[in-house]
Amino acid sequence: AQKVTQAQTEISVVEKEDVTLDCVYETRDTTYYLFWYKQPPSGELVFLIRRNSFDEQNEISGRYSWNFQKSTSSFNFTITASQVVDSAVYFCALSELLMDSSYKLIFGSGTRLLVRP
Amino acid sequence: EAQVTQNPRYLITVTGKKLTVTCSQNMNHEYMSWYRQDPGLGLRQIYYSMNVEVTDKGDVPEGYKVSRKEKRNFPLILESPSPNQTSLYFCASSTRNTIYEQYFGPGTRLTVT
Repeated sequence: AQKVTQAQTEISVVEKEDVTLDCVYETRDTTYYLFWYKQPPSGELVFLIRRNSFDEQNEISGRYSWNFQKSTSSFNFTITASQVVDSAVYFCALSELLMDSSYKLIFGSGTRLLVRP
Repeated sequence: EAQVTQNPRYLITVTGKKLTVTCSQNMNHEYMSWYRQDPGLGLRQIYYSMNVEVTDKGDVPEGYKVSRKEKRNFPLILESPSPNQTSLYFCASSTRNTIYEQYFGPGTRLTVT
């Protein structure tokens, strides 16, 4: 069965520290997409990145970077020089292809990141 | 502005009192879906719709109904809410060809007492 595991329930760091959020997935699909979303205290979901299963290049966007490794089925997210505004719940998600050719997203349980001043 | 809207954003109700959470998108998307978010479980899909008059069950459909009479609207109906339906609900939409790229609404926080 498709599954996303975010083993870190909660992480607490001091501002300016680097932090990595882990995401491990299981899928039977040959083509799939991986996502990261941020959920700040206000509750909305903020899309951060989508990665196609055929594109294993790492991605950097400002202080954010993502490491996709198909060999270990992982899609980890690193925040460099963390800031208090990074405090949020972060979700990793995986697309699952359904019988009717639609997709759904399988979400991990989330990692709560607390960045202390 | 392209967006998915949900109403209400917050709702406190009592067991058994029927309620509807509305979802509307202005992007002419064919695909719409509902998720619920619970602590420690992430988001789970309740129902989805590939187009008008086409709906299907997700992973946790029990206790919910949906309808898709118009392309832009996808209401979530709780005929007889129970406390275990207390949750944060998200509506999402996408085009049929990019279902993997879903736009999420702001969420509706529902409490059933």
